[in-house]
Amino acid sequence: AQRVTQPEKLLSVFKGAPVELKCNYSYSGSPELFWYVQYSRQRLQLLLRHISRESIKGFTADLNKGETSFHLKKPFAQEEDSAMYYCALKWGSSYKLIFGSGTRLLVRP
Amino acid sequence: GAVVSQHPSRVICKSGTSVKIECRSLDFQATTMFWYRQFPKKSLMLMATSNEGSKATYEQGVEKDKFLINHASLTLSTLTVTSAHPEDSSFYICSAQGRAGGNNEQFFGPGTRLTVL
Repeated sequence: AQRVTQPEKLLSVFKGAPVELKCNYSYSGSPELFWYVQYSRQRLQLLLRHISRESIKGFTADLNKGETSFHLKKPFAQEEDSAMYYCALKWGSSYKLIFGSGTRLLVRP
Repeated sequence: GAVVSQHPSRVICKSGTSVKIECRSLDFQATTMFWYRQFPKKSLMLMATSNEGSKATYEQGVEKDKFLINHASLTLSTLTVTSAHPEDSSFYICSAQGRAGGNNEQFFGPGTRLTVL
């Protein structure tokens, strides 16, 4: 069965420190992976998707099929990055998304 | 960007009553809408997929008679929680996906918090 695992419930770092939010998936085919972010009191919004290979707000994520991972990274965290981050998998021809349990990132001043 | 609204944002009702939640795509036509449920400090769990003009597809374990979904137009889907009970209290979130254009992105609504007394 398809599954997305985010092992960390909370990640706390100081401003300027590097950040890596972990995401592992379970899927036998070719997945499409996403990172969604939810800032305080705001709706869920797309941060980035692996097929775009882009950097958004300084964040990048590389799909590693060998390790079935899609970790989110940023070299220098900012306080405004504090939010809830969800990794999601869209599989096959389905439009359905499977979400991980989320990681709360707290960037301290 | 595409905007999805939900109404109401918050509702409190008595046990046994039914509650309707609306999800609207404001500036695009949504061929597919999704309904999620989110428990406190938990992830989003997909409840059902709704395609305009056809019956919704429910995920395993979701009671279709309990959670009635209607997708009557390309901009509106409704979720009705029938005979609500306290265990139905949750945060319900919808998302909408537009016509294919090389981008299958889902745009999320702000959510509706349901409290059943």
